[in-house]
Amino acid sequence: GQSLEQPSEVTAVEGAIVQINCTYQTSGFYGLSWYQQHDGGAPTFLSYNGLDGLEETGRFSSFLSRSDSYGYLLLQELQMKDSASYFCAVRERSNYQLIWGAGTKLIIKP
Amino acid sequence: DSGVTQTPKHLITATGQRVTLRCSPRSGDLSVYWYQQSLDQGLQFLIQYYNGEERAKGNILERFSAQQFPDLHSELNLSSLELGDSALYFCASSVSAGEARDTQYFGPGTRLTVL
Repeated sequence: GQSLEQPSEVTAVEGAIVQINCTYQTSGFYGLSWYQQHDGGAPTFLSYNGLDGLEETGRFSSFLSRSDSYGYLLLQELQMKDSASYFCAVRERSNYQLIWGAGTKLIIKP
Repeated sequence: DSGVTQTPKHLITATGQRVTLRCSPRSGDLSVYWYQQSLDQGLQFLIQYYNGEERAKGNILERFSAQQFPDLHSELNLSSLELGDSALYFCASSVSAGEARDTQYFGPGTRLTVL
C-alpha cells in the first residue's frame, strides 16, 4: 500500500545540523510537503518540493528524489525552538488522497 | 494565527453520543480538510471538500460524515461515539483543490474526549 516512512525520533545538539528522512511507496504523487508541529499546537507549513532537487528557505532545506523514492528535511543552526514534530506528506495522483508520515520528533539538547 | 477557526476548542461527551465540529476556513480558501490526531500519533487524513464538493476521502469511518456549506464553512459530524474516537481533530484550509503546491493552513483543533 501507499505509505511514508519517517524515523520516530531524532536527537541533535543546539547549533548543529540534522536531517529528517522520508521514504515513500506510492505510484505517483504531486509533490512532497513538510510540516512542523509543536507540542499542543497546530501543524504549520515548512516547505514543498514539486520537482526533484533542493529547496531552501532560510535555515530549512528540503530535498526530493523521485527516482530514489526519497526526500529529506534539513535543519541547520538548530535552535531550541526547533524542538517539534516534523511530518512529510504527499497527495496521490490516482485519488487525490493525502498521505502523511507518522512524524519525527526532534529533540534538541543544549 | 492561521486564520482558520474551529469550534468548540474542547468537547467532552459520552459513548454513543453524536457531536458536530465546526470549521471556518481562511478568507479566500476554497478547500477544507479534516484530520484526526490521537495522542502522540500522526495526522490521519479524513476528508477534503473543495468549493462544496467532496474532493478526496481518507480513512474516514462510516460513523463520521462531513459537509461544506455555500459560505465555505464545514462541519464534521461524529456519531455513535466510542472511547477510541477521543482525539484532536484539526481542520485545515487551502486556496485550491490541491494538485500542485498548495499550502494547508491548520486551525487550532478541537479536543474531543469520549468518556
